[in-house]
Amino acid sequence: EAEVAQSPRYKITEKSQAVAFWCDPISGHATLYWYRQILGQGPELLVQFQDESVVDDSQLPKDRFSAERLKGVDSTLKIQPAELGDSAMYLCASSLGLAAGETQYFGPGTRLLVL
Amino acid sequence: GENVEQHPSTLSVQEGDSAVIKCTYSDSASNYFPWYKQELGKRPQLIIDIRSNVGEKKDQRIAVTLNKTAKHFSLHITETQPEDSAVYFCAAYLIRNDMRFGAGTRLTVKP
Repeated sequence: EAEVAQSPRYKITEKSQAVAFWCDPISGHATLYWYRQILGQGPELLVQFQDESVVDDSQLPKDRFSAERLKGVDSTLKIQPAELGDSAMYLCASSLGLAAGETQYFGPGTRLLVL
Repeated sequence: GENVEQHPSTLSVQEGDSAVIKCTYSDSASNYFPWYKQELGKRPQLIIDIRSNVGEKKDQRIAVTLNKTAKHFSLHITETQPEDSAVYFCAAYLIRNDMRFGAGTRLTVKP
C-alpha cells in the first residue's frame, strides 16, 4: 500500500539555525498538507497545496516559515530561524483532492527539537 | 473558523468494556467528521468517518454517531482490546478539505 514519505524522521537543531523537512505524497494525490502537532495536542494545519499552488497558508508564520511544492509533487517546509517554540512533530498528509470527505493520509512525521 | 472540543483527554477501561469519546464543533457548515487513531510514535490513521447526511455509521467494533442539531459527534468502541490503546483524534471538515482536529483522547485498555 502506498504511503506518504517524510524525511528526516528526527531533527535536533539550535535556535536561530535553519531546518528543512521533505515530504513525498502518495502518487496521484493532488492535495498536500503540512501540519504541526505539539505534544499532547491535535495536528494544526500550517499550509495546504493543490498541485503546485498554495490553497491556504493563513496559519503559517510567514516571517520564519516557508513551504513550496514546485512541481506539484513533493514538498519542502523550511524554518529560518528556528525558535525554541518550534519544537514539535511536523506531519505531512496528502489526499486525492479538495472535495469533502477526501481521506487525508499522513506521513510518519518529522520530530523537531530546538535547543 | 471551526473549533473542535474533545473529551475526555484520557480514558482508561478494562479489556472487554466499551469506550466513548465525544467531540463538539462550532461551525454548523461542517459536513465531514473523521476519526484518527495514533499509536505511540506512529502516524495518525483514519479509522472511521461520517458525513453530515448520516446519523450513525458502524464498522465492526467501532461506531460513530452524529447529532447535527447539537453539533456533536461521538466514537464508540465496543469489546475493547489492549491493541485499541492509542490516542484518538476527532476532526471536523469545513471547506476545501480544511480540517480542524480535537486535542486528542489517550485511551488505555487494561488487560
